[in-house]
Amino acid sequence: SQQGEEDPQALSIQEGENATMNCSYKTSINNLQWYRQNSGRGLVHLILIRSNEREKHSGRLRVTLDTSKKSSSLLITASRAADTASYFCATEEYGGATNKLIFGTGTLLAVQP
Amino acid sequence: NAGVMQNPRHLVRRRGQEARLRCSPMKGHSHVYWYRQLPEEGLKFMVYLQKENIIDESGMPKERFSAEFPKEGPSILRIQQVVRGDSAAYFCASSPPLGTGGFETQYFGPGTRLLVL
Repeated sequence: SQQGEEDPQALSIQEGENATMNCSYKTSINNLQWYRQNSGRGLVHLILIRSNEREKHSGRLRVTLDTSKKSSSLLITASRAADTASYFCATEEYGGATNKLIFGTGTLLAVQP
Repeated sequence: NAGVMQNPRHLVRRRGQEARLRCSPMKGHSHVYWYRQLPEEGLKFMVYLQKENIIDESGMPKERFSAEFPKEGPSILRIQQVVRGDSAAYFCASSPPLGTGGFETQYFGPGTRLLVL
């Protein structure tokens, strides 16, 4: 089964508002990553947070990680229409030797201009 | 530095035909990963390869699917005798050799969208 489950499945907001997406996972991890996928396109790596980190920032992105709850959140501040995309979390399992990623089901974000 | 290249971008096959998907990793990357994305779903790991070696194929279907990453040339994902359920987007990712931290960011290609009629 999928390692990560995300909620909400879909989110619609107005430009300028903040968007928060959550991800839960099942096993111990080395790190958790967030990716963006525009419709019909490939994945773009957004940010990586390691298992010993609790919060990380990159521009308008803020990621938190709670390993005790096995959950992470992605906050996009001051959203823009161009942020409209699907967002996926992906985890690398602790002790895994192959660096394979386990993806969540994704959140579809629509930012209305 | 070109990104990960995949071709073709779109592929249409009839049931029973073979599909060959190609992936050229980023320059300097020796690790290749293949993922499959079914409609409205997240990506699912299929196989991890290094040059001339399959390291982890735990996500590959037992039959009809094979992958290779030869010493020269792109990585190939081959699907024999395709069925409608194989219709999906197939993404390739590459990374440099794993560092001392044990992980490296994977860079994804644009994907190949396979449609089986």
